[in-house]
Amino acid sequence: GDSVTQMEGPVTLSEEAFLTINCTYTATGYPSLFWYVQYPGEGLQLLLKATKADDKGSNKGFEATYRKETTSFHLEKGSVQVSDSAVYFCALSEPDGGSQGNLIFGKGTKLSVKP
Amino acid sequence: EAGVTQSPTHLIKTRGQQATLRCSPISGHTSVYWYQQALGLGLQFLLWYDEGEERNRGNFPPRFSGRQFPNYSSELNVNALELEDSALYLCASSFRDRWNTEAFFGQGTRLTVV
Repeated sequence: GDSVTQMEGPVTLSEEAFLTINCTYTATGYPSLFWYVQYPGEGLQLLLKATKADDKGSNKGFEATYRKETTSFHLEKGSVQVSDSAVYFCALSEPDGGSQGNLIFGKGTKLSVKP
Repeated sequence: EAGVTQSPTHLIKTRGQQATLRCSPISGHTSVYWYQQALGLGLQFLLWYDEGEERNRGNFPPRFSGRQFPNYSSELNVNALELEDSALYLCASSFRDRWNTEAFFGQGTRLTVV
């Protein structure tokens, strides 16, 4: 079945460091891909998305490019801030068949940014 | 505009009891989704309701059930609680058939089974 694998954390960085969180997926069709962020004590927020190959999603300085050839959707940010400390989830959705309504999530990567 | 709201925030139940969790979607959203976020397991899809009907179900036993009311709010019921049901239960909502692009999540209900 469809699945998402993301790098395990926790990831600890200093402020202004470069961030990469790896995400790869397995899917039978042509999924849409997402990054969600969960700040402490809050629900999930959609950070960015890409719906087809070579699309780049971007928001709040974060970017991720849908790479069909490597089945990847790595999250990057050039300069992290303390306020970026959160848990980041990679997810996919299949628009057809029995997976409708179902976002498939990775297990999450906890990011801590130190001043 | 109010976001997705869930109640209660925390719930403590004894093994074997029933738990009822509630979710109010964003105004205008007709679809409600339930997810379980258990420690070490990530988020797992439970149920999808739209226009009062169950549209899809994840790989959970029948003791996990729910319903959607005419105002599109939803309840998740968990019967015969087991210790491993302890988790954060997240509700999300979207416009119909927009689940893969515009799902908004609530803050969750933390269920603890003792």
